[in-house]
Amino acid sequence: EAGVTQFPSHSVIEKGQTVTLRCDPISGHDNLYWYRRVMGKEIKFLLHFVKESKQDESGMPNNRFLAERTGGTYSTLKVQPAELEDSGVYFCASSQRTGSYEQYFGPGTRLTVT
Amino acid sequence: DAKTTQPNSMESNEEEPVHLPCNHSTISGTDYIHWYRQLPSQGPEYVIHGLTSNVNNRMASLAIAEDRKSSTLILHRATLRDAAVYYCILRSWGKLQFGAGTQVVVTP
Repeated sequence: EAGVTQFPSHSVIEKGQTVTLRCDPISGHDNLYWYRRVMGKEIKFLLHFVKESKQDESGMPNNRFLAERTGGTYSTLKVQPAELEDSGVYFCASSQRTGSYEQYFGPGTRLTVT
Repeated sequence: DAKTTQPNSMESNEEEPVHLPCNHSTISGTDYIHWYRQLPSQGPEYVIHGLTSNVNNRMASLAIAEDRKSSTLILHRATLRDAAVYYCILRSWGKLQFGAGTQVVVTP
């Protein structure tokens, strides 16, 4: 069974540009989460999808970040326009059900904004 | 949200047990105790979780205090591959809230 995959593995963009990160969850997992670790900080939750609905987006830092999950399969996270402080590693995770079930993480996308 | 307290780092010799403590004095009745670890350059990886009773799986054991205000993750025989940051997380629903975790160093 394939794990959670993320694309690209690394992205370098200039301040003000747009970047779109993609996450493919494990097949059949209704729950999809985005997290990120910015430089020197702890891993922080961004948002949670159940199928294609946003269940919790309390961690989204501002309106420059837009997450979508059309059709309830893969998800994209767009940053527009990117700022220097957005640099970090963005992780996606999926789980079969909500609640106490374990989350399976992807390898992350390293975003560098110059 | 309830928070956890872990030591910054722990060191162990290969093939010896490792006991990782976690304090969570403000845990609520619906909080599960989850442990994840993150190996270098990888995403976090689920290790184990429990509610009240001690739990065992192929990776580790979780010992939960009777009052649930603390727990201990036990790696029975540390290997070099177990060198990682270990996170103790309280979770009742949905998102995981990561702290700084414990950096485990395993020496041959």
